[in-house]
Amino acid sequence: AQSVSQHNHHVILSEAASLELGCNYSYGGTVNLFWYVQYPGQHLQLLLKYFSEDPLVKGIKGFEAEFIKSKFSFNLRKPSVQWSDTAEYFCAVNPVAGGGADGLTFGKGTHLIIQP
Amino acid sequence: DAGVTQSPTHLIKTRGQHVTLRCSPISGHKSVSWYQQVLGQGPQFIFQYYEKEERGRGNFPDRFSARQFPNYSSELNVNALLLGDSALYLCASSVYRGSSYNSPLHFGNGTRLTVT
Repeated sequence: AQSVSQHNHHVILSEAASLELGCNYSYGGTVNLFWYVQYPGQHLQLLLKYFSEDPLVKGIKGFEAEFIKSKFSFNLRKPSVQWSDTAEYFCAVNPVAGGGADGLTFGKGTHLIIQP
Repeated sequence: DAGVTQSPTHLIKTRGQHVTLRCSPISGHKSVSWYQQVLGQGPQFIFQYYEKEERGRGNFPDRFSARQFPNYSSELNVNALLLGDSALYLCASSVYRGSSYNSPLHFGNGTRLTVT
């Protein structure tokens, strides 16, 4: 079975700082990868997704993520964060072989706080 | 457009009782998935339904069951509630089966279940 590890559970940054949130997964086959964000009081929203195309994926609100297959990693980055980026961030993986029937496997999440 | 709607938003039950949670997908979405999110953890996959048939099941006991109706809405049922069932239950819908590039998961706000 697959698993996802997010290294940082809590991250505090100042506005305009650069962000990188780590995500590693364990699975022997081909996967689809996702980052979801949950803003305070809101539902989970898709930030970006990787489906076997360019390993550098661009998402909404200036976020991007790079898939490094050799490292089983899919780290999330943003060059300059804003106060409105304060949220919970979840990395998720989905094996391609299952055709989506296995559901998404999520990491435990990273709570990001941006200080003005 | 209305998003995924779940009812009720909050629920308090006693150990041993039964609970039914409801979900209405986005119009045009034929797949519904259920996830359990325990405090401090990422969502964990419970079920996926597509075209009214169960297409995937996570590692949950038989006390958990679900169904999808002809209008694509869904119910999650949990019997013989345990304290450990206290969690946020999330419903997600997608156009097609599972989560694909052109059919990402859209999540609802969830039902907060407390078992006392």
